[in-house]
Amino acid sequence: EAGVAQSPRYKIIEKRQSVAFWCNPISGHATLYWYQQILGQGPKLLIQFQNNGVVDDSQLPKDRFSAERLKGVDSTLKIQPAKLEDSAVYLCASSVGTVGQPQHFGDGTRLSIL
Amino acid sequence: KQEVTQIPAALSVPEGENLVLNCSFTDSAIYNLQWFRQDPGKGLTSLLLIQSSQREQTSGRLNASLDKSSGRSTLYIAASQPGDSATYLCAVVSQGAQKLVFGQGTRLTINP
Repeated sequence: EAGVAQSPRYKIIEKRQSVAFWCNPISGHATLYWYQQILGQGPKLLIQFQNNGVVDDSQLPKDRFSAERLKGVDSTLKIQPAKLEDSAVYLCASSVGTVGQPQHFGDGTRLSIL
Repeated sequence: KQEVTQIPAALSVPEGENLVLNCSFTDSAIYNLQWFRQDPGKGLTSLLLIQSSQREQTSGRLNASLDKSSGRSTLYIAASQPGDSATYLCAVVSQGAQKLVFGQGTRLTINP
């Protein structure tokens, strides 16, 4: 089966600019996750979708980050305006269900803010 | 609030050695614990998943144990190989929650 697809792989922008990331989960996976991984740290959950509804966005900086999952399939994560501290790898993952189900990760988008 | 800690942050060993990576978590009320591998520039690959009712899981040269009462898990790698070089992350799902909470990882280097 095809894995989780993310694009772009790399993005370099200047602070205060906007950027968007795209994720296509594994077919049939109802749950989609966006994680932020800062260099040297473990991933931190930003937002979790169940189909096209938000389950958990408690750690999403809502003043600058937004995410949507239209039609319950692919998803976009947007940052506007970007800050220097947003430099990180943004990972998308998907799972069949929710609690206890293995999560499958994409290769991520590496974002550098100048 | 669940917190996950991995020690050491980095480990370098010669090829062929057996080694143990450690993971500790503060809240023992977990649903499951997973060990992941992350290669440079790549996403995470799940290695082993241990449900809260289990004590250990094995896959090939890897063995993961879970002691909920003490809030600890170990990942044992037998007969290490240079291809095992990567960052290893553990993560837990707490009861009543759905998200993975990760440790900061252990960067493992196996020297030929």
